[in-house]
Amino acid sequence: TQLLEQSPQFLSIQEGENLTVYCNSSSVFSSLQWYRQEPGEGPVLLVTVVTGGEVKKLKRLTFQFGDARKDSSLHITAAQPGDTGLYLCAGLASGSARQLTFGSGTQLTVLP
Amino acid sequence: NAGVTQTPKFQVLKTGQSMTLQCAQDMNHEYMSWYRQDPGMGLRLIHYSVGAGITDQGEVPNGYNVSRSTTEDFPLRLLSAAPSQTSVYFCASSLLQGGETQYFGPGTRLLVL
Repeated sequence: TQLLEQSPQFLSIQEGENLTVYCNSSSVFSSLQWYRQEPGEGPVLLVTVVTGGEVKKLKRLTFQFGDARKDSSLHITAAQPGDTGLYLCAGLASGSARQLTFGSGTQLTVLP
Repeated sequence: NAGVTQTPKFQVLKTGQSMTLQCAQDMNHEYMSWYRQDPGMGLRLIHYSVGAGITDQGEVPNGYNVSRSTTEDFPLRLLSAAPSQTSVYFCASSLLQGGETQYFGPGTRLLVL
């Protein structure tokens, strides 16, 4: 069973601060996805990274896939209260159809 | 498009009761799946399907059955509910070819007493 360890589990910061969330595994994934989930709703895809070393930016969010495709990070610059939510990483293994392995999630709270 | 819909939104069951969680999508997606979400454990895959008539087990399939008679529907059956099945259940769908985005439904919150 492939595992994804996500850290930190909880993060509470002030508006304007920067933060980084980490997603680590001992397994290689063909791609890595980041989702955001609001209370009472299903996860919504933010980004997919496919190539080792790839960096993608989505406004104030920067996503990086490790060179060995075993880890990923999400960096948020100048966090805003609207960034509050549960952030989940999910890996897609080679040869699988669409079965995702999810990390345990990071609950982010940005205080005004 | 309605996307992925799930019913019911909430359900309370007694131990030993059976029920079916409904999931439907109107995007003509081949791939559909069921996850459960428990505190501190992310989402875990229960069952998945790559097309009508084809289903397979995920990470935590025990106590659950699925069937896929049409492309649109993918119901999840709890045969004899147990307190350990108290969770939030999410259905998701995506294309198989060229479809990296999985679309999730709003979830069904289940409490087993």
